[in-house]
Amino acid sequence: DAGITQSPRHKVTETGTPVTLRCHQTENHRYMYWYRQDPGHGLRLIHYSYGVKDTDKGEVSDGYSVSRSKTEDFLLTLESATSSQTSVYFCAISESRMTSRSYNEQFFGPGTRLTVL
Amino acid sequence: DQQVKQNSPSLSVQEGRISILNCDYTNSMFDYFLWYKKYPAEGPTFLISISSIKDKNEDGRFTVFLNKSAKHLSLHIVPSQPGDSAVYFCAATAYYGGATNKLIFGTGTLLAVQP
Repeated sequence: DAGITQSPRHKVTETGTPVTLRCHQTENHRYMYWYRQDPGHGLRLIHYSYGVKDTDKGEVSDGYSVSRSKTEDFLLTLESATSSQTSVYFCAISESRMTSRSYNEQFFGPGTRLTVL
Repeated sequence: DQQVKQNSPSLSVQEGRISILNCDYTNSMFDYFLWYKKYPAEGPTFLISISSIKDKNEDGRFTVFLNKSAKHLSLHIVPSQPGDSAVYFCAATAYYGGATNKLIFGTGTLLAVQP
């Protein structure tokens, strides 16, 4: 199994409070991703990183920010949590994709279940 | 606009029979397709993939078929086993010359294999 951990694994918080989720990898992969999983929506990309201090938005980035100060850590922050951000959050890692005929699959962490009351 | 669609939210099959999970996509730029499997309270795990230059890829009991003209792919599991009961996600990606591996996921199909 790829060495990916997420913390915390479960969190309950109140609307308006800041929340930070952490993803830690031991694989030295270049790319890191944050997804949320919701019923009827599958997995949707929030933000991703292609290197230290290099990040970009995904399809559902509003209300979220990220930071990557070290190769191994990728943080997801909800500046002011809302009930619509109640979800299961997954971190993933991958190597670069170098050609159109190849692919390096993403490896996922165990997830963080976040409940915003 | 959902670029990757899994129109069957659930599927139930008998142990030993074939399971067929379907996936449709709209973006003709997609050039690699993957299936992930997810058990409750765990992260998704990679199952099998296929490049757009192929129409079939096989790995043990799992086979993925790609029909580019129909923008359709399917995952066949033969024979199905109770341990295959999980949510299956179809995913697709496009190579635009950059090195990113961004995936677009479908909504998932819950497979239940009955003993």
